[in-house]
Amino acid sequence: GIQVEQSPPDLILQEGANSTLRCNFSDSVNNLQWFHQNPWGQLINLFYIPSGTKQNGRLSATTVATERYSLLYISSSQTTDSGVYFCAVRSGGSYIPTFGRGTSLIVHP
Amino acid sequence: DAGITQSPRHKVTETGTPVTLRCHQTENHRYMYWYRQDPGHGLRLIHYSYGVKDTDKGEVSDGYSVSRSKTEDFLLTLESATSSQTSVYFCAISESGFNTGELFFGEGSRLTVL
Repeated sequence: GIQVEQSPPDLILQEGANSTLRCNFSDSVNNLQWFHQNPWGQLINLFYIPSGTKQNGRLSATTVATERYSLLYISSSQTTDSGVYFCAVRSGGSYIPTFGRGTSLIVHP
Repeated sequence: DAGITQSPRHKVTETGTPVTLRCHQTENHRYMYWYRQDPGHGLRLIHYSYGVKDTDKGEVSDGYSVSRSKTEDFLLTLESATSSQTSVYFCAISESGFNTGELFFGEGSRLTVL
């Protein structure tokens, strides 16, 4: 099956810093999502981005499907950005999303 | 927000007792999934459904069964709970299974098996 790797596994920032999270996948995908799991455990949809670039406030994402990666940019980070960021992909007509192991982000005030 | 409700949200039970977790959706989405999340293991798929009475196993299905008698409800049953099934369980829904359609998660159900 498709493999999904996220990097870095852990990230610690000071408030106000920028960061880039990466999601690499081993096969072509037609469905890619980014999620944020906050410290209370909720899984929040950030972006549905099988290709191209999207922006939502301080967050943006880019997926280059031909090169099999996606990037999540967080600018001017805030303590509320802390949590775990997951990438999930689907390919080949599969019902089943494949998740990466996540990037754990801690933003210090 | 997608209309997904999980119940109960928290449950403590004893080894050997049966437990049923319910996922209820108001979106009329076809696909529903049960995941468990444990430290160091990320999200692991237990079972999924691609329609009423159509279900299949995920990667960690041993010890779990599911049923879907209505589009809106997907039940996860632990016939005889074990301590290894202590976990946080998430339900997810998707309008389309094939390559398109966003996946949305419920709030999670924390199960502790003593």
